[in-house]
Amino acid sequence: DAGITQSPRHKVTETGTPVTLRCHQTENHRYMYWYRQDPGHGLRLIHYSYGVKDTDKGEVSDGYSVSRSKTEDFLLTLESATSSQTSVYFCAISELGVPGELFFGEGSRLTVL
Amino acid sequence: AQKVTQAQTEISVVEKEDVTLDCVYETRDTTYYLFWYKQPPSGELVFLIRRNSFDEQNEISGRYSWNFQKSTSSFNFTITASQVVDSAVYFCALSEASNNDMRFGAGTRLTVKP
Repeated sequence: DAGITQSPRHKVTETGTPVTLRCHQTENHRYMYWYRQDPGHGLRLIHYSYGVKDTDKGEVSDGYSVSRSKTEDFLLTLESATSSQTSVYFCAISELGVPGELFFGEGSRLTVL
Repeated sequence: AQKVTQAQTEISVVEKEDVTLDCVYETRDTTYYLFWYKQPPSGELVFLIRRNSFDEQNEISGRYSWNFQKSTSSFNFTITASQVVDSAVYFCALSEASNNDMRFGAGTRLTVKP
C-alpha cells in the first residue's frame, strides 16, 4: 500500500473557523492532490501540486488554499469554514502525474456546523 | 473541460450474476487516459485499471473485464460471476494530457446480494 497519511481523520468545527488538513506521503512522489467527495458528484479536484511550492487550482478551489513546503507534505486550508465545505476530503499522490494512476489516502471527514 | 458520465446510480444483482457498469466520457484531447477505481464500504479508493487513448484493446483480469470503444466514447466495466465482496461504489475517471485534473464520474453503487 502507498504510504499516505491524512490527519485529522475526523473533525467537527463551526462555521467561520479555520481548518487545516494534512497529507503526508512516504513515497517521494512528485504530484499530490486534494479531492473532495460528495454524494452525486463523485470526486472533485480542489488543488494539486507538481512539486515543492508549485501548486495549481482544480475544479472547486474557491474557499481553499494549499501549501507544499516539503515533498512529503501537502496542506489544505479552509480559511473560514462554511457548511458547504462539509465533505470527505481525500489526498492522492501520483508518480507520473496525468498518465498515472492516483493512490489515495484514507480520507478525512469534515463536518462544519 | 472533460466530462465523465456514469448513468447508473445504483445496481443490485444476485451473486453469480454478470454485471456491466457503464462509463461514457467527453474530451477534446486526442491523448487521454481512462481509469476505474473501486470504493468498498470501508471507504478507501482502490485503483483497478488504466487505459490510454491509443490502446483500444480490451482487458481481462480474472472476473473483471473492460471494454474501451473510442467510437462511442465508452469505457465499460464488466464483472463476471459477481460476488458479495464486489459490493462497492465504482468510479470511472478521465485525465487529459493537456491538464492535471482527473475528472471522476458520480459513481455507480453496486450491491451484490447473496
